[in-house]
Amino acid sequence: AQSVTQLDSHVSVSEGTPVLLRCNYSSSYSPSLFWYVQHPNKGLQLLLKYTSAATLVKGINGFEAEFKKSETSFHLTKPSAHMSDAAEYFCVSSGTASKLTFGTGTRLQVTL
Amino acid sequence: GAGVSQSPRYKVAKRGQDVALRCDPISGHVSLFWYQQALGQGPEFLTYFQNEAQLDKSGLPSDRFFAERPEGSVSTLKIQRTQQEDSAVYLCAAGDTQYFGPGTRLTVL
Repeated sequence: AQSVTQLDSHVSVSEGTPVLLRCNYSSSYSPSLFWYVQHPNKGLQLLLKYTSAATLVKGINGFEAEFKKSETSFHLTKPSAHMSDAAEYFCVSSGTASKLTFGTGTRLQVTL
Repeated sequence: GAGVSQSPRYKVAKRGQDVALRCDPISGHVSLFWYQQALGQGPEFLTYFQNEAQLDKSGLPSDRFFAERPEGSVSTLKIQRTQQEDSAVYLCAAGDTQYFGPGTRLTVL
Protein backbone atom coordinates (compact mmCIF):
# COMPACT_ATOMS: atom_id res chain seq x y z
CA ALA A 1 0.00 0.00 0.00
CA GLN A 2 1.10 3.50 -0.76
CA SER A 3 1.14 6.32 1.75
CA VAL A 4 2.74 9.69 2.33
CA THR A 5 3.74 11.36 5.56
CA GLN A 6 3.95 15.12 5.85
CA LEU A 7 6.38 15.83 8.62
CA ASP A 8 5.11 19.28 9.60
CA SER A 9 1.52 20.28 10.17
CA HIS A 10 2.42 23.97 10.19
CA VAL A 11 5.32 25.93 8.74
CA SER A 12 5.89 29.67 9.15
CA VAL A 13 8.36 31.65 7.05
CA SER A 14 9.07 35.30 6.42
CA GLU A 15 8.32 36.75 3.02
CA GLY A 16 11.37 36.47 0.78
CA THR A 17 12.90 33.52 2.64
CA PRO A 18 13.05 29.92 1.36
CA VAL A 19 10.21 27.46 1.81
CA LEU A 20 10.70 23.79 2.66
CA LEU A 21 7.69 21.48 3.10
CA ARG A 22 8.69 17.93 3.91
CA CYS A 23 7.12 14.73 2.66
CA ASN A 24 8.20 11.10 2.93
CA TYR A 25 6.57 8.35 0.95
CA SER A 26 6.13 4.68 1.54
CA SER A 27 5.77 2.40 -1.42
CA SER A 28 6.81 -1.00 -2.56
CA TYR A 29 7.38 0.31 -6.07
CA SER A 30 8.21 3.55 -7.79
CA PRO A 31 5.30 5.81 -7.02
CA SER A 32 3.65 8.71 -8.77
CA LEU A 33 3.86 11.67 -6.41
CA PHE A 34 2.21 15.06 -6.45
CA TRP A 35 1.98 18.28 -4.54
CA TYR A 36 -1.36 20.09 -4.43
CA VAL A 37 -2.15 23.48 -2.91
CA GLN A 38 -5.46 24.53 -1.41
CA HIS A 39 -6.15 28.18 -0.77
CA PRO A 40 -8.96 29.05 1.67
CA ASN A 41 -12.38 28.44 0.15
CA LYS A 42 -10.84 27.44 -3.16
CA GLY A 43 -10.37 24.14 -4.93
CA LEU A 44 -7.27 22.00 -4.94
CA GLN A 45 -4.69 23.02 -7.51
CA LEU A 46 -1.93 20.79 -8.85
CA LEU A 47 1.50 22.31 -8.22
CA LEU A 48 3.63 19.57 -9.72
CA LYS A 49 3.89 15.82 -10.28
CA TYR A 50 6.64 13.24 -10.38
CA THR A 51 6.31 10.28 -12.70
CA SER A 52 9.93 9.00 -12.84
CA ALA A 53 11.00 11.02 -15.89
CA ALA A 54 13.25 13.33 -13.85
CA THR A 55 14.05 13.48 -10.15
CA LEU A 56 13.83 17.27 -9.97
CA VAL A 57 10.36 18.42 -10.86
CA LYS A 58 9.49 22.03 -11.53
CA GLY A 59 5.99 23.23 -10.88
CA ILE A 60 3.96 26.38 -11.05
CA ASN A 61 4.57 29.58 -9.09
CA GLY A 62 8.29 28.86 -8.62
CA PHE A 63 7.83 25.64 -6.64
CA GLU A 64 9.90 22.54 -7.23
CA ALA A 65 10.34 19.14 -5.61
CA GLU A 66 13.10 16.57 -5.66
CA PHE A 67 12.46 12.84 -5.62
CA LYS A 68 15.12 11.12 -3.49
CA LYS A 69 14.74 7.38 -3.55
CA SER A 70 17.52 6.80 -1.00
CA GLU A 71 15.65 8.95 1.50
CA THR A 72 12.11 8.09 0.30
CA SER A 73 11.45 11.81 0.27
CA PHE A 74 9.70 14.27 -2.02
CA HIS A 75 10.14 17.64 -0.34
CA LEU A 76 8.63 20.80 -1.81
CA THR A 77 10.77 23.92 -2.00
CA LYS A 78 10.64 27.50 -3.19
CA PRO A 79 13.59 29.91 -3.06
CA SER A 80 11.62 32.95 -1.94
CA ALA A 81 8.22 32.93 -0.27
CA HIS A 82 5.48 35.35 -1.25
CA MET A 83 2.47 36.36 0.79
CA SER A 84 0.22 34.72 -1.79
CA ASP A 85 1.86 31.34 -1.05
CA ALA A 86 0.05 31.12 2.28
CA ALA A 87 -2.18 28.06 1.96
CA GLU A 88 -2.53 24.37 2.80
CA TYR A 89 -0.19 22.06 0.90
CA PHE A 90 -0.80 18.36 0.37
CA CYS A 91 1.72 15.72 -0.61
CA VAL A 92 -0.09 13.02 -2.56
CA SER A 93 0.68 9.58 -3.94
CA SER A 94 -1.11 7.74 -6.69
CA GLY A 95 -1.79 4.07 -6.71
CA THR A 96 -3.92 1.82 -8.82
CA ALA A 97 -6.27 3.44 -11.30
CA SER A 98 -4.94 6.86 -10.37
CA LYS A 99 -6.60 6.80 -6.95
CA LEU A 100 -4.94 9.54 -4.91
CA THR A 101 -3.83 9.16 -1.31
CA PHE A 102 -3.39 12.50 0.44
CA GLY A 103 -1.10 13.38 3.30
CA THR A 104 -2.47 15.22 6.29
CA GLY A 105 -1.42 18.60 4.93
CA THR A 106 0.99 21.37 5.90
CA ARG A 107 -0.32 24.84 6.54
CA LEU A 108 2.16 27.42 5.27
CA GLN A 109 2.08 30.81 6.93
CA VAL A 110 4.01 33.70 5.37
CA THR A 111 4.74 36.72 7.51
CA LEU A 112 6.03 40.16 6.63
CA GLY B 1 -9.87 24.07 -12.58
CA ALA B 2 -9.98 22.77 -16.12
CA GLY B 3 -13.77 22.96 -16.24
CA VAL B 4 -14.96 20.90 -13.28
CA SER B 5 -17.99 22.44 -11.66
CA GLN B 6 -19.90 21.27 -8.61
CA SER B 7 -23.29 22.18 -7.25
CA PRO B 8 -24.50 23.22 -4.85
CA ARG B 9 -21.45 24.91 -3.36
CA TYR B 10 -23.01 24.79 0.10
CA LYS B 11 -25.69 22.48 1.47
CA VAL B 12 -27.24 22.41 4.90
CA ALA B 13 -29.29 19.36 5.73
CA LYS B 14 -31.18 18.20 8.77
CA ARG B 15 -30.10 14.85 10.12
CA GLY B 16 -31.99 12.12 8.33
CA GLN B 17 -32.49 14.03 5.09
CA ASP B 18 -31.28 12.75 1.76
CA VAL B 19 -28.91 14.93 -0.29
CA ALA B 20 -27.62 14.86 -3.86
CA LEU B 21 -24.38 16.47 -4.90
CA ARG B 22 -23.58 17.11 -8.52
CA CYS B 23 -20.31 17.12 -10.44
CA ASP B 24 -20.05 18.32 -14.03
CA PRO B 25 -16.72 17.69 -15.75
CA ILE B 26 -17.40 20.15 -18.52
CA SER B 27 -14.47 19.11 -20.69
CA GLY B 28 -15.68 15.50 -20.88
CA HIS B 29 -13.00 13.61 -19.01
CA VAL B 30 -13.17 9.81 -19.00
CA SER B 31 -12.07 9.45 -15.37
CA LEU B 32 -14.04 10.94 -12.51
CA PHE B 33 -13.31 10.71 -8.79
CA TRP B 34 -15.12 11.67 -5.61
CA TYR B 35 -13.29 12.55 -2.40
CA GLN B 36 -14.45 13.52 1.09
CA GLN B 37 -12.52 16.15 3.04
CA ALA B 38 -13.36 16.46 6.72
CA LEU B 39 -12.48 19.67 8.51
CA GLY B 40 -8.72 19.96 9.00
CA GLN B 41 -7.99 16.76 7.12
CA GLY B 42 -6.74 15.79 3.71
CA PRO B 43 -9.21 14.50 1.13
CA GLU B 44 -10.03 10.82 1.24
CA PHE B 45 -11.01 8.73 -1.76
CA LEU B 46 -14.63 7.69 -2.06
CA THR B 47 -15.20 6.30 -5.53
CA TYR B 48 -13.97 6.25 -9.14
CA PHE B 49 -15.66 6.10 -12.52
CA GLN B 50 -14.32 5.43 -15.94
CA ASN B 51 -17.01 6.71 -18.28
CA GLU B 52 -20.25 5.32 -16.82
CA ALA B 53 -18.62 2.34 -15.10
CA GLN B 54 -18.00 2.61 -11.38
CA LEU B 55 -14.71 0.75 -11.11
CA ASP B 56 -13.90 1.36 -7.47
CA LYS B 57 -16.25 2.24 -4.63
CA SER B 58 -14.08 0.98 -1.83
CA GLY B 59 -13.95 4.37 -0.11
CA LEU B 60 -17.68 4.84 0.34
CA PRO B 61 -18.10 4.86 4.14
CA SER B 62 -21.47 3.12 4.30
CA ASP B 63 -24.34 1.88 2.19
CA ARG B 64 -26.00 5.27 2.70
CA PHE B 65 -23.57 6.63 0.12
CA PHE B 66 -24.30 6.03 -3.53
CA ALA B 67 -22.72 7.48 -6.68
CA GLU B 68 -23.70 7.29 -10.30
CA ARG B 69 -22.61 8.57 -13.69
CA PRO B 70 -25.24 7.17 -16.03
CA GLU B 71 -24.10 8.81 -19.28
CA GLY B 72 -20.40 9.01 -18.56
CA SER B 73 -20.35 12.74 -17.98
CA VAL B 74 -22.22 14.32 -15.05
CA SER B 75 -21.97 12.43 -11.79
CA THR B 76 -24.15 12.55 -8.69
CA LEU B 77 -23.15 11.56 -5.19
CA LYS B 78 -26.18 10.76 -3.07
CA ILE B 79 -26.19 10.43 0.68
CA GLN B 80 -29.26 8.93 2.29
CA ARG B 81 -30.39 9.56 5.86
CA THR B 82 -27.56 12.02 6.50
CA GLN B 83 -25.73 11.94 9.82
CA GLN B 84 -23.67 14.63 11.51
CA GLU B 85 -20.47 12.75 10.72
CA ASP B 86 -21.25 13.21 7.02
CA SER B 87 -20.46 16.92 7.39
CA ALA B 88 -17.49 17.57 5.12
CA VAL B 89 -16.45 19.05 1.82
CA TYR B 90 -17.14 16.69 -1.07
CA LEU B 91 -14.69 17.08 -3.91
CA CYS B 92 -14.99 15.90 -7.47
CA ALA B 93 -11.95 15.44 -9.70
CA ALA B 94 -11.83 14.66 -13.39
CA GLY B 95 -9.19 13.44 -15.78
CA ASP B 96 -6.10 11.34 -15.31
CA THR B 97 -4.28 14.36 -13.86
CA GLN B 98 -7.28 14.93 -11.58
CA TYR B 99 -8.42 18.50 -11.92
CA PHE B 100 -10.51 19.28 -8.88
CA GLY B 101 -13.76 21.16 -8.68
CA PRO B 102 -14.42 23.74 -5.94
CA GLY B 103 -16.26 21.23 -3.77
CA THR B 104 -19.60 21.11 -1.99
CA ARG B 105 -19.55 21.93 1.71
CA LEU B 106 -22.19 19.77 3.41
CA THR B 107 -23.29 20.62 6.92
CA VAL B 108 -25.63 18.22 8.68
CA LEU B 109 -27.44 19.68 11.67
